[in-house]
Amino acid sequence: GQNIDQPTEMTATEGAIVQINCTYQTSGFNGLFWYQQHAGEAPTFLSYNVLDGLEEKGRFSSFLSRSKGYSYLLLKELQMKDSASYLCAVNQAGTALIFGKGTTLSVSS
Amino acid sequence: GAVVSQHPSRVICKSGTSVKIECRSLDFQATTMFWYRQFPKQSLMLMATSNEGSKATYEQGVEKDKFLINHASLTLSTLTVTSAHPEDSSFYICSARPGESYNSPLHFGNGTRLTVT
Repeated sequence: GQNIDQPTEMTATEGAIVQINCTYQTSGFNGLFWYQQHAGEAPTFLSYNVLDGLEEKGRFSSFLSRSKGYSYLLLKELQMKDSASYLCAVNQAGTALIFGKGTTLSVSS
Repeated sequence: GAVVSQHPSRVICKSGTSVKIECRSLDFQATTMFWYRQFPKQSLMLMATSNEGSKATYEQGVEKDKFLINHASLTLSTLTVTSAHPEDSSFYICSARPGESYNSPLHFGNGTRLTVT
């Protein structure tokens, strides 16, 4: 079986920092991806973790703990354009990605 | 680089008709492509894995006779929704991964919004 959990919605203000958590239980694990998706558009790749620890890429960072089945995406210096859905996805068996239900982030001024 | 093109972006069809959606990898070859479906405010659900030169692999609950997949070349996969019904209305997105490494991210087409009336 497989289960990927994320909060459904989050709100934050411009300039703030927000952390989006993801927990997973999958029968296999070959890495975890974070994608951003604006309404009606295709997902765009943000980050990838396969080893424990923090990966930093500009305003976005992602953390992974394989022993805990846990990841988070950290967004700093929030901007209005960061309002979107953020999808946590697990590469379970080396091929397709299995997605969580996504977290809708609303950034207000 | 790593561009995936999907066409059409939007289609409206009548119940009972068939609709073909094309997915092309523009600057890389893809022996495998993935088809996802997304209902409003839901996440992406994997429908099937398209394999160049062989039969597609369908996820549990996805009817292979209804969702026909053809992967005739290393840059093109097509999804045909046969005898479409209103419940098939959804956002269909294809994706592919350049190279053979599973560590590289999937790149997505822009999706096809299907509305069946």
